[in-house]
Amino acid sequence: AQRVTQPEKLLSVFKGAPVELKCNYSYSGSPELFWYVQYSRQRLQLLLRHISRESIKGFTADLNKGETSFHLKKPFAQEEDSAMYYCAHYPSRAGGTSYGKLTFGQGTILTVHP
Amino acid sequence: ETGVTQTPRHLVMGMTNKKSLKCEQHLGHNAMYWYKQSAKKPLELMFVYNFKEQTENNSVPSRFSPECPNSSHLFLHLHTLQPEDSALYLCASSREGRPANYGYTFGSGTRLTVV
Repeated sequence: AQRVTQPEKLLSVFKGAPVELKCNYSYSGSPELFWYVQYSRQRLQLLLRHISRESIKGFTADLNKGETSFHLKKPFAQEEDSAMYYCAHYPSRAGGTSYGKLTFGQGTILTVHP
Repeated sequence: ETGVTQTPRHLVMGMTNKKSLKCEQHLGHNAMYWYKQSAKKPLELMFVYNFKEQTENNSVPSRFSPECPNSSHLFLHLHTLQPEDSALYLCASSREGRPANYGYTFGSGTRLTVV
């Protein structure tokens, strides 16, 4: 079964420090990976998609198929980045029991201190 | 409110009650989903509807009963729930069941407390 692992439940950094939120997945096919963010009292929203190779709010994430990882990085964290971050995985091929299911990791709560 | 709208925002119900959660989207999406978000577990997918047809029931107990009358509306009917069912229930939608290009759009959720 596909699985998404975010090993850190909590992550604290100081403003201006680099931050990396880890995500590993287990899937034998070609994955589609996402990062979602949930700010305090706001709804869960899409942050970025690996397929678009974009940088959103200074965050980037590179898919490493060899390490089956999709870590989220930002070189200089800001206080407004404090939120819950979820890595999510979607199998890109039809067939099997995983098709149609976006699977989330357990989430990492990022706190950026002033 | 645009996007995905969920009502009510908060719900307290007894174990013998029957209630329904409602989700509505006018984004032109064809797929809708129910997720459960509890404190100690990752987001759990409950049900998937593609073009109004249920395509996934992720081993959810029968005390949760989904209904999708059209591609814009999704309900979750609740009856004889247990205290451990207390959680935030999130509705999401996407285009044609494939979030590759667009991702899922989530509602704000219904905070359910079973007493």
